[in-house]
Amino acid sequence: GAVVSQHPSWVICKSGTSVKIECRSLDFQATTMFWYRQFPKQSLMLMATSNEGSKATYEQGVEKDKFLINHASLTLSTLTVTSAHPEDSSFYICSVHRGGALVPYEQYFGPGTRLTVT
Amino acid sequence: AQTVTQSQPEMSVQEAETVTLSCTYDTSESDYYLFWYKQPPSRQMILVIRQEAYKQQNATENRFSVNFQKAAKSFSLKISDSQLGDAAMYFCAYRKDYKLSFGAGTTVTVRA
Repeated sequence: GAVVSQHPSWVICKSGTSVKIECRSLDFQATTMFWYRQFPKQSLMLMATSNEGSKATYEQGVEKDKFLINHASLTLSTLTVTSAHPEDSSFYICSVHRGGALVPYEQYFGPGTRLTVT
Repeated sequence: AQTVTQSQPEMSVQEAETVTLSCTYDTSESDYYLFWYKQPPSRQMILVIRQEAYKQQNATENRFSVNFQKAAKSFSLKISDSQLGDAAMYFCAYRKDYKLSFGAGTTVTVRA
């Protein structure tokens, strides 16, 4: 079954509004989650690393005030796109890092959220 | 920063035949991981195969195998006995300290 869920799977919002995307780890507690962005027919670009109980770490060029990340629990991270504009329309994917002796160095990806800003 | 290069935007293969996808990467590290991910039209990322840099033996997962050349920084994926379900976008990825860097991707089309 699914290890990581995302909600919603598709959202349409008006320009200037904010939208929140949830990423949940279903099978295990995750201290670290990652947020990626993918434009059509392009690769995944890491936006930020979400750490439970602390501030997210953003990649160079990603506006932290525009893409707010909250990792409030060991199973939930949220990405809020504030004051969304049409250029923010993209596919947003989260992944959950799982470490340990049984499954070392594994990242599990969510199904993604398609954001369309009109 | 690590750079992953996939030089083949598209590859086409006849069903039951073999196709090889190329990937090169740039790093100054000696300890790292390499991956091939598959992204079908559903856009769910699926791990195909993993290679630890310290292992000389090439990884194999059923019909999927890699040719890992550490000195050349090359990591190609071979898909044998191609099936229609193999049609997808394939991404090569480099991992260091839990962060993944992806290549641009190769779209694989399987002809019936």
